[in-house]
Amino acid sequence: AQSVTQLGSHVSVSEGALVLLRCNYSSSVPPYLFWYVQYPNQGLQLLLKYTTGATLVKGINGFEAEFKKSETSFHLTKPSAHMSDAAEYFCAVSDRGTGNQFYFGTGTSLTVIP
Amino acid sequence: EAQVTQNPRYLITVTGKKLTVTCSQNMNHEYMSWYRQDPGLGLRQIYYSMNVEVTDKGDVPEGYKVSRKEKRNFPLILESPSPNQTSLYFCASSYIGGRVITDTQYFGPGTRLTVL
Repeated sequence: AQSVTQLGSHVSVSEGALVLLRCNYSSSVPPYLFWYVQYPNQGLQLLLKYTTGATLVKGINGFEAEFKKSETSFHLTKPSAHMSDAAEYFCAVSDRGTGNQFYFGTGTSLTVIP
Repeated sequence: EAQVTQNPRYLITVTGKKLTVTCSQNMNHEYMSWYRQDPGLGLRQIYYSMNVEVTDKGDVPEGYKVSRKEKRNFPLILESPSPNQTSLYFCASSYIGGRVITDTQYFGPGTRLTVL
């Protein structure tokens, strides 16, 4: 089974500062990779995904992530944090061969300090 | 409006009393899935379904049942709930491109279940 590691269950940044949320996966074959965001009392919504092609992917709300095979990583970044970015962020993967079962990380809660 | 609906949104029950949480989507998605979210554990997949009458176990299926008799509905059944099933439950659906899920999963608003 896959495992997904999100380092840092809580991250605080100042408004306008760089946001960096880390995600590493365990499989030797690169999986499909996703970042989801969960605002308080809501379901999850997709920020971005990597399935094939360019390893730097851009998502909604100014977020982007880079797939690095050598580091088995898919870290999420945003150049300048906004107050509205405060939320819980989840990295998720699914196996490239089947792509039907999903594995989520434990989540990172992002706080933006004014 | 494209959406995934879940009912009920909140439920408090007692150990052993059978319950069903309904999930419905209006996007004609083939793929549907149930997750539970627990503090410090993230989301864990319970069951998923690739189409009508096709269901498979996820990571944590013990104590749960599902059925997929219609494309739009995917109910989660707890035959004999126990306190360790107290959790926040999410239903999700997605379009299947080819054989695998590469599109976004659309999540419902969640059902908060407490088993006493």
